[in-house]
Amino acid sequence: DTGVSQDPRHKITKRGQNVTFRCDPISEHNRLYWYRQTLGQGPEFLTYFQNEAQLEKSRLLSDRFSAERPKGSFSTLEIQRTEQGDSAMYLCASSLALTNQETQYFGPGTRLLVL
Amino acid sequence: GDSVTQMEGPVTLSEEAFLTINCTYTATGYPSLFWYVQYPGEGLQLLLKATKADDKGSNKGFEATYRKETTSFHLEKGSVQVSDSAVYFCALINNAGNNRKLIWGLGTSLAVNP
Repeated sequence: DTGVSQDPRHKITKRGQNVTFRCDPISEHNRLYWYRQTLGQGPEFLTYFQNEAQLEKSRLLSDRFSAERPKGSFSTLEIQRTEQGDSAMYLCASSLALTNQETQYFGPGTRLLVL
Repeated sequence: GDSVTQMEGPVTLSEEAFLTINCTYTATGYPSLFWYVQYPGEGLQLLLKATKADDKGSNKGFEATYRKETTSFHLEKGSVQVSDSAVYFCALINNAGNNRKLIWGLGTSLAVNP
């Protein structure tokens, strides 16, 4: 158990609906990351936060995607107007930035299926 | 851009066999290298890491050595067990600037038969 939790673990939705996922990092970790993983692929980076600041966003993160980390603790990832291509596992990770060689610890993921 | 290439699976071995999963990378600068493992139904777990050339990461009988001259970070284990059946991912972080994202290989599925 790495200590990173994600909710929900599974989500089934209809195309066009909005969904929101939550990630709670390990409590003392100041960096938080979102990745997406599709079947048979490695994870792909979406975005990351240091404290409450969003420092990098991937070009994969279209304008339908938004992520927040309002108090520098938990984070939410919202997908608006979901499409079937959004079906994937959404992974959250956290790390403690003492040096630039910290390790990212992953949660169990939220599996999204868009019908 | 940065990339990671690892050998395709699935790999099927008998218990106590020797395991090698090849991983090579392309990156500017001096990346940190990682192996993560994903057991069935579970999340990604860090298996081992190395942060500079010639470092050897090791954990649970697995080892990998950071080889800058061959840009490789091959995973090895001398005697696999059924419980090692999982998907193994090689990954890197390019430590240049503020870049903190992990770049991943496609994963190699390992099945160990009793």
